[in-house]
Amino acid sequence: DAGVIQSPRHEVTEMGQEVTLRCKPISGHNSLFWYRQTMMRGLELLIYFNNNVPIDDSGMPEDRFSAKMPNASFSTLKIQPSEPRDSAVYFCASSRSGGPLYEQYFGPGTRLTVT
Amino acid sequence: RKEVEQDPGPFNVPEGATVAFNCTYSNSASQSFFWYRQDCRKEPKLLMSVYSSGNEDGRFTAQLNRASQYISLLIRDSKLSDSATYLCVVNRPTGTASKLTFGTGTRLQVTL
Repeated sequence: DAGVIQSPRHEVTEMGQEVTLRCKPISGHNSLFWYRQTMMRGLELLIYFNNNVPIDDSGMPEDRFSAKMPNASFSTLKIQPSEPRDSAVYFCASSRSGGPLYEQYFGPGTRLTVT
Repeated sequence: RKEVEQDPGPFNVPEGATVAFNCTYSNSASQSFFWYRQDCRKEPKLLMSVYSSGNEDGRFTAQLNRASQYISLLIRDSKLSDSATYLCVVNRPTGTASKLTFGTGTRLQVTL
């Protein structure tokens, strides 16, 4: 079975540009999570969806960040405009709704560099 | 104070050694606890859950002390392949849902 798929795997962009990260969760999983990982702050939850509905977006840093989940098989995380401090690895994870929350399966991540 | 705190390491141990990692959490409402493993430049993967009574999975033993809000992971007979970062993870309810909070991880390097 395919795992969580993320694209692109690497993104280098200039400050001020729009960045869109994409995620396809594991088929049959109802919950989707976006995380950001940096050396200083570790892994932080940005937002999560259950059945395509945003449940908790308290981790989204500011208005420059937005996330959507138009259907059960696709989600995007957008940063507009991007800033150097947004440089990090962004992970998407999914889990089966109703199952233990800990069973989160992570995608390979998108390594974002903003210059 | 961070919600989940870990010693960042690195822990450098020879193959065959026993090594223990500790983790503390600040929110007494936390309900479940886990260890994830993350290899260099890879995604985190679930290693094991942590139960109040303590639990073992092969060479790995996890312990929880709710009174002290303390979690541990013991690795016996370390292998080179155990080299990774180990993330302490805490699950607590937030309103109608619950969320995982990750520690920043403890790095382990097993050497010959």
